[in-house]
Amino acid sequence: QSALTQPASVSGSPGQSITITCTGTSSDVGTYNFVSWYQHHPGKAPKLMTYEVNQGPSGVSNRFSGSKSGNTASLTISGLQAEDEADYYCCSYAGRSTWVFGGGTKVTVL
Amino acid sequence: QVQLVQSGAEVKKPGASVKLSCKASGYTFTTYYINWVRQVPGQGLEWMGLINPTGGATSYAQNFQGRVTMTRDTSTSTVYMELISLSAEDTAMYYCARDSRPTGIGDGFDYWGQGTLVTVSS
Repeated sequence: QSALTQPASVSGSPGQSITITCTGTSSDVGTYNFVSWYQHHPGKAPKLMTYEVNQGPSGVSNRFSGSKSGNTASLTISGLQAEDEADYYCCSYAGRSTWVFGGGTKVTVL
Repeated sequence: QVQLVQSGAEVKKPGASVKLSCKASGYTFTTYYINWVRQVPGQGLEWMGLINPTGGATSYAQNFQGRVTMTRDTSTSTVYMELISLSAEDTAMYYCARDSRPTGIGDGFDYWGQGTLVTVSS
């Protein structure tokens, strides 16, 4: 099972919107709507930001939204804030009770 | 409140094995699957496998087949992950994480342990 493909880095200015893509295959992202996104600050545990493509867990800002088209999922962060600077990972169900993560994207707030 | 508390850091020699623990509290242990995820320094998150605490059924990532075993003790609400034949490439932070869908798979990993650092060095 190969890792999902994410851009290594994305940047934006405070207040802007940015989008992180996550490209998989018809064996994972393209078939299942079980795509989630995680925010990871160094030294801390990852945090669930969205699940089932576009569902937001309680307590997570609605500035974070997910979507999917074909084999590519996306996470959009609107109204970018300094605290959003972190690594972001997508994760997709890949069938047979297995999961696969993306390689991660470093978000920089300029 | 839901908590996953992991065992402490480990230092192992190449070829050895390590067994990590993840103790759950604040919810019904058998209701949610537990996953193990690791992060090698400088690399991304990697899913290793999961265990259904109800019956103990497991699923492992292909990369770890034959080297990883996940078990659970329902009497102490603890999940264990054993990794054998360690090499320097297994030096990583290991996390346990709960799938948020009751009795199933799919709603993302909502609670995570604090992580256990495993260092493999001669």
